[in-house]
Amino acid sequence: GDSVTQMEGPVTLSEEAFLTINCTYTATGYPSLFWYVQYPGEGLQLLLKATKADDKGSNKGFEATYRKETTSFHLEKGSVQVSDSAVYFCALSASSGYSTLTFGKGTMLLVSP
Amino acid sequence: NAGVMQNPRHLVRRRGQEARLRCSPMKGHSHVYWYRQLPEEGLKFMVYLQKENIIDESGMPKERFSAEFPKEGPSILRIQQVVRGDSAAYFCASSPPSGNEQYFGPGTRLTVT
Repeated sequence: GDSVTQMEGPVTLSEEAFLTINCTYTATGYPSLFWYVQYPGEGLQLLLKATKADDKGSNKGFEATYRKETTSFHLEKGSVQVSDSAVYFCALSASSGYSTLTFGKGTMLLVSP
Repeated sequence: NAGVMQNPRHLVRRRGQEARLRCSPMKGHSHVYWYRQLPEEGLKFMVYLQKENIIDESGMPKERFSAEFPKEGPSILRIQQVVRGDSAAYFCASSPPSGNEQYFGPGTRLTVT
């Protein structure tokens, strides 16, 4: 079945540092890929998405590129802020049928001033 | 434009009681998904519903759990005879008839004592 693997956290960075959170997936066909962010005590917010190979999703300074050859969708940001501290989830939805999401376990990011 | 609404936000039940979780999708959305998040885990799909129909309940335990999305009113996730292992955050998401983006509610945190 489909699966998503994320790097384990927590990831601890100083403000303005470069961020990478790795995400790889296993799926048949051509899934759509997503990054969601969850702030403490809140629900998930869609951060960015990509629907086909080589697409780059971007939002609020975050970027991720759909790499089919490496089955990856790594999240990056050039300069993190304290307010970026949250849990980040990588997810996919199957290429056929309806769009049930398969999530990774999440990666906690802690940014200190 | 209200987002996905869930209530209650926090629910405490004793073992053996029933828990009812409600979800009102975004305006114009006719598809509802329920996910469960156990501590330190990612979200796991439970059930996918459209108005008056259960489309996929493959992630929902066969016993004690049920879901509905009536023609009028919110979607309901019902857990009968709760046990401690049911303690988790339950998230609802909705999507429009077309498109594969899901929008999440704030979740209901169920604690079974």
